[in-house]
Amino acid sequence: GENVEQHPSTLSVQEGDSAVIKCTYSDSASNYFPWYKQELGKGPQLIIDIRSNVGEKKDQRIAVTLNKTAKHFSLHITETQPEDSAVYFCAALYYGNNRLAFGKGNQVVVIP
Amino acid sequence: NAGVTQTPKFQVLKTGQSMTLQCAQDMNHNSMYWYRQDPGMGLRLIYYSASEGTTDKGEVPNGYNVSRLNKREFSLRLESAAPSQTSVYFCASSGIQGNTEAFFGQGTRLTVV
Repeated sequence: GENVEQHPSTLSVQEGDSAVIKCTYSDSASNYFPWYKQELGKGPQLIIDIRSNVGEKKDQRIAVTLNKTAKHFSLHITETQPEDSAVYFCAALYYGNNRLAFGKGNQVVVIP
Repeated sequence: NAGVTQTPKFQVLKTGQSMTLQCAQDMNHNSMYWYRQDPGMGLRLIYYSASEGTTDKGEVPNGYNVSRLNKREFSLRLESAAPSQTSVYFCASSGIQGNTEAFFGQGTRLTVV
């Protein structure tokens, strides 16, 4: 069935350090893996996504890596800033019903 | 271009009352979704609509009904609200079913007392 696991559930980092969030998924047929950022009181917003035909994608300080063999993908935030503090959700698209399944979210706190 | 608009933003209901959450998107998207967000549970899909005229159950559909009124609008109805339905509700839309960016509304915070 659809299952996306996300860990750690909370992560505190010093400003300027890197943050890494890892997700695992259960359906080997998934081919689309987005990451969403949710700030307090707002809806989730896409920050980066990756498709199964590539292993890594980068956008400024954010990068996502995908390991299809191990069925996991990770979000990397470098040179963290206070505005990076938010809840981050990973998701995976499942072929069976063509829906996105979300992880439970990760609270990232950047300490100034 | 407003994106995805949800109304209301906040609502308090008494147990047994009914209400409809409204959602509209102006991006000409085919697919629309309703999620609920509870602490520690992430985003759970209630119902979705792959295209105008179709709706399907998600992970947690019990106690809810939906209507895809037209391509723009997708409403969520609680016929008899229960305290377990206290949650933050998000509507989302995407272009191709699940396979492109999903845009989310700002959410509706619902409390059932």
